[in-house]
Amino acid sequence: QKEVEQDPGPLSVPEGAIVSLNCTYSNSAFQYFMWYRQYSRKGPELLMYTYSSGNKEDGRFTAQVDKSSKYISLFIRDSQPSDSATYLCAMREGAQKLVFGQGTRLTINP
Amino acid sequence: SAVISQKPSRDICQRGTSLTIQCQVDSQVTMMFWYRQQPGQSLTLIATANQGSEATYESGFVIDKFPISRPNLTFSTLTVSNMSPEDSSIYLCSVEGGGETQYFGPGTRLLVL
Repeated sequence: QKEVEQDPGPLSVPEGAIVSLNCTYSNSAFQYFMWYRQYSRKGPELLMYTYSSGNKEDGRFTAQVDKSSKYISLFIRDSQPSDSATYLCAMREGAQKLVFGQGTRLTINP
Repeated sequence: SAVISQKPSRDICQRGTSLTIQCQVDSQVTMMFWYRQQPGQSLTLIATANQGSEATYESGFVIDKFPISRPNLTFSTLTVSNMSPEDSSIYLCSVEGGGETQYFGPGTRLLVL
């Protein structure tokens, strides 16, 4: 079993829809949770960062962490074609290495 | 956030040759990281490079295959040695950001024939 599981998709939704991206993990010691966005032929770009449990909102993006269920989510409201990218979840235990999910390929259709 | 550049951005190489990838950061950083991202796969950490010390390699990666240099606090190189088609991948460098995050460079796309 992988430490971090993420559905690779692809996921295709119409413009304006609410998008939900999710990751599950097995290591209960993970404390730091991140979402990266990776456009085609580019490096990953840090989108959201959360420490421990709870929600964090930044514009149209909301990151949610449920440590009791070992489950994290990224919600995108009012999705735009420019949101089309691969979204990678990542997490780490303290100063240990980052562990990434496989990435979900998202397409927003105009 | 740090601005990271990588050279080359892409290359096509012949089997058995070596390629050195450069990573430049616009600020001084203690730790730099090298990752591999194979097609359709997640990022896999190759090694961590601290200035002034030997790089620390992850399981499955060895110094003879992926030698790393870290001559100063803004620069690092990764060499992919004696390449085979299985080394075709995207190679990414990253640096520590705030709060246990990391920032990534644009990547080097390598195709080995």
